[in-house]
Amino acid sequence: QKEVEQNSGPLSVPEGAIASLNCTYSDRGSQSFFWYRQYSGKSPELIMFIYSNGDKEDGRFTAQLNKASQYVSLLIRDSQPSDSATYLCAVSAGFQKLVFGTGTRLLVSP
Amino acid sequence: DVKVTQSSRYLVKRTGEKVFLECVQDMDHENMFWYRQDPGLGLRLIYFSYDVKMKEKGDIPEGYSVSREKKERFSLILESASTNQTSMYLCASSLWDRGKTYEQYFGPGTRLTVT
Repeated sequence: QKEVEQNSGPLSVPEGAIASLNCTYSDRGSQSFFWYRQYSGKSPELIMFIYSNGDKEDGRFTAQLNKASQYVSLLIRDSQPSDSATYLCAVSAGFQKLVFGTGTRLLVSP
Repeated sequence: DVKVTQSSRYLVKRTGEKVFLECVQDMDHENMFWYRQDPGLGLRLIYFSYDVKMKEKGDIPEGYSVSREKKERFSLILESASTNQTSMYLCASSLWDRGKTYEQYFGPGTRLTVT
């Protein structure tokens, strides 16, 4: 069974700080990695994807991938209260499918 | 912009009823998916379709069936609804590629309550 593990949180950070969200996965063959944001009662929304080892930056978000350690992370710089949500890590698993972690709840306090 | 729509945001059905949930995407995606999401269990794949009339079971297909007669439309059917099928149902779509798994785009979800 391919697995994606995330700390459920909540992760609490003050406004303006860096939030660091982490994810580990079990399938060494995974090639595609995604971060989604989900507000309470809403559907998941894609934030970033990363395919290669290293860092990928998009605005205040940075995704980091280390395939050797089977580890993906998401950094959110200058965190805002509007970033408070659950963040889902998703990893490719077999033919065209994704496996999702159960998510980390982030709380950004003003 | 990718748009995935689902037929209902909220649905209340009685035990034993046949329930149809419909999903439509407008981006010509080959792949379509049905998930359910429950607290503490995350997103679980029910069924997946990579082409018209093609379907593949996911992790929890029992009690469900699907239909894909047109590329843009993917229906989830609960043959005889039960209370343990009360959940949030999410449809998603993505591009197909032989060597790569693309990001999935989600519809707004249907919160189904079976009483």
